[in-house]
Amino acid sequence: GENVEQHPSTLSVQEGDSAVIKCTYSDSASNYFPWYKQELGKGPQLIIDIRSNVGEKKDQRIAVTLNKTAKHFSLHITETQPEDSAVYFCAASIAGGGADGLTFGKGTHLIIQP
Amino acid sequence: EAGVVQSPRYKIIEKKQPVAFWCNPISGHNTLYWYLQNLGQGPELLIRYENEEAVDDSQLPKDRFSAERLKGVDSTLKIQPAELGDSAVYLCASREGGYTGELFFGEGSRLTVL
Repeated sequence: GENVEQHPSTLSVQEGDSAVIKCTYSDSASNYFPWYKQELGKGPQLIIDIRSNVGEKKDQRIAVTLNKTAKHFSLHITETQPEDSAVYFCAASIAGGGADGLTFGKGTHLIIQP
Repeated sequence: EAGVVQSPRYKIIEKKQPVAFWCNPISGHNTLYWYLQNLGQGPELLIRYENEEAVDDSQLPKDRFSAERLKGVDSTLKIQPAELGDSAVYLCASREGGYTGELFFGEGSRLTVL
């Protein structure tokens, strides 16, 4: 089955700086890659996703890049703010590109230092 | 619009006792999921329903776990008997039918088995 590795497990950045979280996946058939943000005591919330026919996608301060050849994808957050502090999960799906069959990474705890 | 509602939010039980979790998905969402989230880990799929049919329960430990979604709306996840290793957060999620629907998570039910 699919295996998703996520790094780093903890990331501390100064407010206003950029943060980058990286994930690799094992199954070349995967074609849907969402990112979720989980705040303490809450369920994960989708923040951005990308499909395998696209190399990059942006939404305001958040961007995701995908390298299918190398089987890795990354989340980029620019101009970080205190409310960006949370645990971020990447995921990959081999189930036809939808939200079914998602395999999640272990998460990155992002800490924004004031 | 109400999100995915789960109850109870917290449950503490002795080992070998039964426990049940309830989920009410977003109105109109045909697909419902139960995920297990251990501390410091990403969510892992237990079971997926399309309306009232369980279409993927391959990761559900069927010796002690059971789930139902009788009328294709609310769902219940039961553990009987609970073991120490079952301590975790149980997340319910739902999405509209179709290929690209976003996955919406509830806030989870945190189980502690003593």
